[in-house]
Amino acid sequence: GAVVSQHPSWVICKSGTSVKIECRSLDFQATTMFWYRQFPKQSLMLMATSNEGSKATYEQGVEKDKFLINHASLTLSTLTVTSAHPEDSSFYICSPDRGMNTEAFFGQGTRLTVV
Amino acid sequence: GQNIDQPTEMTATEGAIVQINCTYQTSGFNGLFWYQQHAGEAPTFLSYNVLDGLEEKGRFSSFLSRSKGYSYLLLKELQMKDSASYLCAVKDSNYQLIWGAGTKLIIKP
Repeated sequence: GAVVSQHPSWVICKSGTSVKIECRSLDFQATTMFWYRQFPKQSLMLMATSNEGSKATYEQGVEKDKFLINHASLTLSTLTVTSAHPEDSSFYICSPDRGMNTEAFFGQGTRLTVV
Repeated sequence: GQNIDQPTEMTATEGAIVQINCTYQTSGFNGLFWYQQHAGEAPTFLSYNVLDGLEEKGRFSSFLSRSKGYSYLLLKELQMKDSASYLCAVKDSNYQLIWGAGTKLIIKP
């Protein structure tokens, strides 16, 4: 399967600060990256879709100014949670798009805790 | 709207067989996936069904009935390491993955 590296695996930050999460696809070029959020005992929720060299597409209810996505190269996409609040505490997972009829592969996930 | 339903939690005994059901209502269908997710980790791919019938892969099998909007994941010879959440996901007409909330499987010795 695809090799996807996501960092950090966990982070604790103070309320009001910003946190950057990196996702690298190590063995193929990812034109599109999906960013998910998962709250405890809930399903994966798609937050946004990033496309290399263009603006990300955000799902309804997701604030684009709060969750900044950058997809500057075919191997790296970043998600920055700005002015984090405790309600942003969640598990964030990236998944590069490998085509319509293929299974999804994921980064290791980032457990964000905002105190 | 689109939704996928799975039982919240199931309990089974080591060495036994368990069947996890999934029903879905989506705008279009381009395949159904099962994933395993251990606590604090990302999901890992288990199986893929796009045509009706049974797909077998070792101790795990997955069944699909498109007319009924129904799938199940069958786990045989359960091991303690199989304790995890099992996620059902469907690709809709736009090839976007729609996720179920997952079924937490508890294996008892």
